[in-house]
Amino acid sequence: GENVEQHPSTLSVQEGDSAVIKCTYSDSASNYFPWYKQELGKGPQLIIDIRSNVGEKKDQRIAVTLNKTAKHFSLHITETQPEDSAVYFCAALKTAGGTSYGKLTFGQGTILTVHP
Amino acid sequence: NAGVMQNPRHLVRRRGQEARLRCSPMKGHSHVYWYRQLPEEGLKFMVYLQKENIIDESGMPKERFSAEFPKEGPSILRIQQVVRGDSAAYFCASSPSDRTKGYTFGSGTRLTVV
Repeated sequence: GENVEQHPSTLSVQEGDSAVIKCTYSDSASNYFPWYKQELGKGPQLIIDIRSNVGEKKDQRIAVTLNKTAKHFSLHITETQPEDSAVYFCAALKTAGGTSYGKLTFGQGTILTVHP
Repeated sequence: NAGVMQNPRHLVRRRGQEARLRCSPMKGHSHVYWYRQLPEEGLKFMVYLQKENIIDESGMPKERFSAEFPKEGPSILRIQQVVRGDSAAYFCASSPSDRTKGYTFGSGTRLTVV
């Protein structure tokens, strides 16, 4: 089955700095890669996603890049703010084919702390 | 448009009791998924359901756990004879048929077994 590795497990930055979180996946059939932000006591919230036919996607201060050949994808947050502090999860999904489609496989999570 | 609704938010059960967790998907979503999150860990897939059908239960423990998504009403995750190790946050997600157009999570049910 799919396996997703995420690094680093914790990341501490100063307000205004950039933060980068990296993930690798094992199943070349995975074709959709969402990123979720989870605040304490809440459910995961989708913040950005990318499909396998796209190399990069940007939404204001957040961007995601995908390298299909190397099977890794990254989240980039620029001009970080204290409210960006949360746990961030990457995930991989096969949208069709076989019985495992529809199942998100998550990375282990990154605790991001942005210091004012 | 209400999001994915889960209830209760918090549930306390004594060892040996039954826990029932409910999930109402977003309007227009016909696919429901359950995930479990142990303290300070990532989310682990448990089961994927469509109306009246279990599509993939590869992440469900073989005993004590069951899930359903009836024709009418919410999806139910049922845990019989709970043990301390069942204490976790259980999240439900829903999606339309095209999962890239809105795989949305609820706020979760935090189960504590005492």
